[in-house]
Amino acid sequence: NAGVTQTPKFQVLKTGQSMTLQCAQDMNHEYMSWYRQDPGMGLRLIHYSVGAGITDQGEVPNGYNVSRSTTEDFPLRLLSAAPSQTSVYFCASSYSTASVGPDTQYFGPGTRLTVL
Amino acid sequence: AQTVTQSQPEMSVQEAETVTLSCTYDTSESNYYLFWYKQPPSRQMILVIRQEAYKQQNATENRFSVNFQKAAKSFSLKISDSQLGDTAMYFCAFMSYSDDMRFGAGTRLTVKP
Repeated sequence: NAGVTQTPKFQVLKTGQSMTLQCAQDMNHEYMSWYRQDPGMGLRLIHYSVGAGITDQGEVPNGYNVSRSTTEDFPLRLLSAAPSQTSVYFCASSYSTASVGPDTQYFGPGTRLTVL
Repeated sequence: AQTVTQSQPEMSVQEAETVTLSCTYDTSESNYYLFWYKQPPSRQMILVIRQEAYKQQNATENRFSVNFQKAAKSFSLKISDSQLGDTAMYFCAFMSYSDDMRFGAGTRLTVKP
């Protein structure tokens, strides 16, 4: 199993550009999530999904969109990049469901995004 | 929302010694999960250990163990026989049925030879 994969690993954007960060998992996990990591602030939840067709906002959703058309994929879209979105982005997945409850999250390798 | 606090931004330890990283959390729930993740310079987030709140026994994984004090809302990580490869950022995290995973700000651990 490849686990959780993310592409690209690095990206530089200009202010106002849009792009999509890709995330895929091959563990048949229902729960997937996106976090951003900023110095001194740990990881903060952007958006999450509890299954195909279902998404919801996390702690810092502004400026980002997500969709979940399949169990495997959970892309994150930056609509109009801003310097404040310079960060490291992590995708994660877990077996968590409403009936199972919380479970360990497995993380992708991260994407370092710089917005100029 | 639940909060997770790691009060030690940086720590260091000599190789082969023992070090304890602190974590406290705030919640009104009785059933939840706690985690310690390690982030080495490679940036990969790696699960170190997890603890279910309903279990009274402290979790242990080889050289890593936790001291879970539910009443005090404390969840410290003890690393025994520290190795150079333990040098990393360590994040404490909380997750419950009603809330997504919340992370502390992290503790940067340096193991010195």
